[in-house]
Amino acid sequence: QQQVKQSPQSLIVQKGGISIINCAYENTAFDYFPWYQQFPGKGPALLIAIRPDVSEKKEGRFTISFNKSAKQFSLHIMDSQPGDSATYFCAASMHGSGYALNFGKGTSLLVTP
Amino acid sequence: KAGVTQTPRYLIKTRGQQVTLSCSPISGHRSVSWYQQTPGQGLQFLFEYFSETQRNKGNFPGRFSGRQFSNSRSEMNVSTLELGDSALYLCASSFGQENTEAFFGQGTRLTVV
Repeated sequence: QQQVKQSPQSLIVQKGGISIINCAYENTAFDYFPWYQQFPGKGPALLIAIRPDVSEKKEGRFTISFNKSAKQFSLHIMDSQPGDSATYFCAASMHGSGYALNFGKGTSLLVTP
Repeated sequence: KAGVTQTPRYLIKTRGQQVTLSCSPISGHRSVSWYQQTPGQGLQFLFEYFSETQRNKGNFPGRFSGRQFSNSRSEMNVSTLELGDSALYLCASSFGQENTEAFFGQGTRLTVV
């Protein structure tokens, strides 16, 4: 059973535009929500992460918005660039689970020039 | 600083055989976790080891096993291989404190024929 649901499956954005990827979860015990970026042939790399005591976190062009009551969180990529073209995964984990990350199915982002 | 090293990068095995994959974590990291990545199921948690002890396990059959050595290097073994075991197997290392950054290796691409 997929504990984290991610949408859309694929996304095409023009250079300079905003890319938005959404995730939803059911388990209220989750307390850590990272986003990973994966390029072909590479392992996932952590982009940004948030904990539920914060509603928004920004790092450069990347922002996570977190809505605890709706059990949703999203990634916004501002001023999207062709180099951002990759697959993005949201994930969630809970304290006591070690490093057991529950991943969404991924969003393939293509930023066109 | 060297990253997470997984060997081999590619592997072709016959159904029914067994396979051992290796992961060398970043120096100083004591936690190693393993994930299976497939197009259909995405990234799924296999297990995590910390200081040579399995700390958590995902929902995979007993054919999937692992271990960690005193130098934190980890191995994953899959016995009686099935066609459905074909996947990218990723290892991630971290210091061991929960819900902090996990660094992924490039993975081992296993093909079962």
